[in-house]
Amino acid sequence: DAGVIQSPRHEVTEMGQEVTLRCKPISGHDYLFWYRQTMMRGLELLIYFNNNVPIDDSGMPEDRFSAKMPNASFSTLKIQPSEPRDSAVYFCASSLTRIAGVGNEQFFGPGTRLTVL
Amino acid sequence: DAKTTQPTSMDCAEGRAANLPCNHSTISGNEYVYWYRQIHSQGPQYIIHGLKNNETNEMASLIITEDRKSSTLILPHATLRDTAVYYCIVRVAIVNSGYALNFGKGTSLLVTP
Repeated sequence: DAGVIQSPRHEVTEMGQEVTLRCKPISGHDYLFWYRQTMMRGLELLIYFNNNVPIDDSGMPEDRFSAKMPNASFSTLKIQPSEPRDSAVYFCASSLTRIAGVGNEQFFGPGTRLTVL
Repeated sequence: DAKTTQPTSMDCAEGRAANLPCNHSTISGNEYVYWYRQIHSQGPQYIIHGLKNNETNEMASLIITEDRKSSTLILPHATLRDTAVYYCIVRVAIVNSGYALNFGKGTSLLVTP
């Protein structure tokens, strides 16, 4: 298994531009998570999906951020318009529901390093 | 979810056991202890989790005190590749609940030659 795949690995853009980050979860996993990591705030959960349905988006910082999961093998996180304070590493993770207390570990992708100038 | 407290940083000599403590004095009966680590420039990696019994896998051992208010992650023979930030996370594991991981600050472990 290739693990969680994210693209691009690095993205440099200018303020005001639209940015789209992509994620392919591990095949068969039913949960997908988007996290953001900065030096100041550490790792923060932005949103997560279960069976392609958004469950909790309370971590999404503002309306400029949106996430979709059109099918079980693909998700996007979009920022429009982007701002310098959005610069961070964005991680996607997936997990498989199991019996309570067994497993449920999250598998993380390599991340996308976003720089907004 | 219960709050966890970890030392900011620790050192360990290569080949020696690394013992990483975590305090979770407000843990509830249905909350599990999870450990993840993040090697520089990589995504976090699951290590181990447990409820009340000690656990061991190919990566590490998890020792949970009888009152469950603290735990220790043990890397039995640390290598330079174990240099990373280690996160202790307490979380309820309920089927179909999904769950968010509150990573906190973690412990930065430096393994030295």
